[in-house]
Amino acid sequence: GQQLNQSPQSMFIQEGEDVSMNCTSSSIFNTWLWYKQDPGEGPVLLIALYKAGELTSNGRLTAQFGITRKDSFLNISASIPSDVGIYFCAGRGNYGGSQGNLIFGKGTKLSVKP
Amino acid sequence: DGGITQSPKYLFRKEGQNVTLSCEQNLNHDAMYWYRQDPGQGLRLIYYSQIVNDFQKGDIAEGYSVSREKKESFPLTVTSAQKNPTAFYLCASSMYQNTEAFFGQGTRLTVV
Repeated sequence: GQQLNQSPQSMFIQEGEDVSMNCTSSSIFNTWLWYKQDPGEGPVLLIALYKAGELTSNGRLTAQFGITRKDSFLNISASIPSDVGIYFCAGRGNYGGSQGNLIFGKGTKLSVKP
Repeated sequence: DGGITQSPKYLFRKEGQNVTLSCEQNLNHDAMYWYRQDPGQGLRLIYYSQIVNDFQKGDIAEGYSVSREKKESFPLTVTSAQKNPTAFYLCASSMYQNTEAFFGQGTRLTVV
């Protein structure tokens, strides 16, 4: 099945630094979601985006729905050790049936140096 | 509290045995999903259901079966036909198909 291109695959950052990750798709999406997954747990929804150009914040997290509707990015400001985990983007096209389901990126693994 | 509950969290089975993973939600969501997660990969859709008594195959349905007899429940059976069943299985639900999905805690299945 189709997958999103999520980058980077992994990153090490110093505590206090800002982090940026993004997802791109060859298809137009009408929904972008960002999730965080801790080891051995299910993904937790961080931010949901429904309009092209939309910029939404959740605490230190900010995500944007790209104008072209084919990309989205997530920024984390002033990272802290509990930001460690895997971040997934997920997108949904403007279709019903099987094409209306979410497509997930492969994740960005974030590790913070104490 | 409202949420999605998967059980058990860890499951061990011998090769050749069928095994059923439980998923229950009390969010009154219409749509439910099963995903499989392998190391270094994104989530891959196994089956989904938009309404009671109806379900559809996802991208990797071979070797799996589901039922949706109640709105709250969407059990997944991993059959002996699944060639590589060891994985982390995630259940999710959403109000409708085009709204955000919420996940359970996952079940790690190990087949020996």
